[in-house]
Amino acid sequence: KQEVTQIPAALSVPEGENLVLNCSFTDSAIYNLQWFRQDPGKGLTSLLLIQSSQREQTSGRLNASLDKSSGRSTLYIAASQPGDSATYLCAVWVDYKLSFGAGTTVTVRA
Amino acid sequence: DAGVIQSPRHEVTEMGQEVTLRCKPISGHNSLFWYRQTMMRGLELLIYFNNNVPIDDSGMPEDRFSAKMPNASFSTLKIQPSEPRDSAVYFCADSYGTGRDYTGELFFGEGSRLTVL
Repeated sequence: KQEVTQIPAALSVPEGENLVLNCSFTDSAIYNLQWFRQDPGKGLTSLLLIQSSQREQTSGRLNASLDKSSGRSTLYIAASQPGDSATYLCAVWVDYKLSFGAGTTVTVRA
Repeated sequence: DAGVIQSPRHEVTEMGQEVTLRCKPISGHNSLFWYRQTMMRGLELLIYFNNNVPIDDSGMPEDRFSAKMPNASFSTLKIQPSEPRDSAVYFCADSYGTGRDYTGELFFGEGSRLTVL
């Protein structure tokens, strides 16, 4: 069974600092890896999707890397802003099933 | 497109009552998923449909839960009878493609928050 772990569970940083969020998974036979953002009381918003053949994806201030052999992905958020405060979840696809980590809750202090 | 649409957004009911949650997926997306989110267990996949056919319902907790997808634009998740431990946020999500061509990008609705008293 695929296990997805996100460390740390919570993170608080001052505005402007770069954020580094970690995700690890136990089974490297994944199709894709997806990073989501969830605001309180809301659904999940897709941030980045990394295909299994890719090493990274970028969108604006966000960059996600994928190392299948070591079972790791990292989400970088440059120059954090208070609006980046949310819970970030990573999820890995194996066949049609998406296994989620528990998330990292980020607080960016103004 | 308006995205994945779920209703109701909030439901409060009493134990033993029937609950029906509804989902309208994005047009053209042929895979639909129902998830449940709780603080204790995180996000759990309940059931997966592809082209309106249930493919995997192994995550459905027990016979009190049932899901249908009568057509490509509508799905329901029903709990009968409901119990307090069913209290959670239920998400509908969709995607497109199947098998090795699966793009894998999942789109979530806003969720239905269920409270069973």
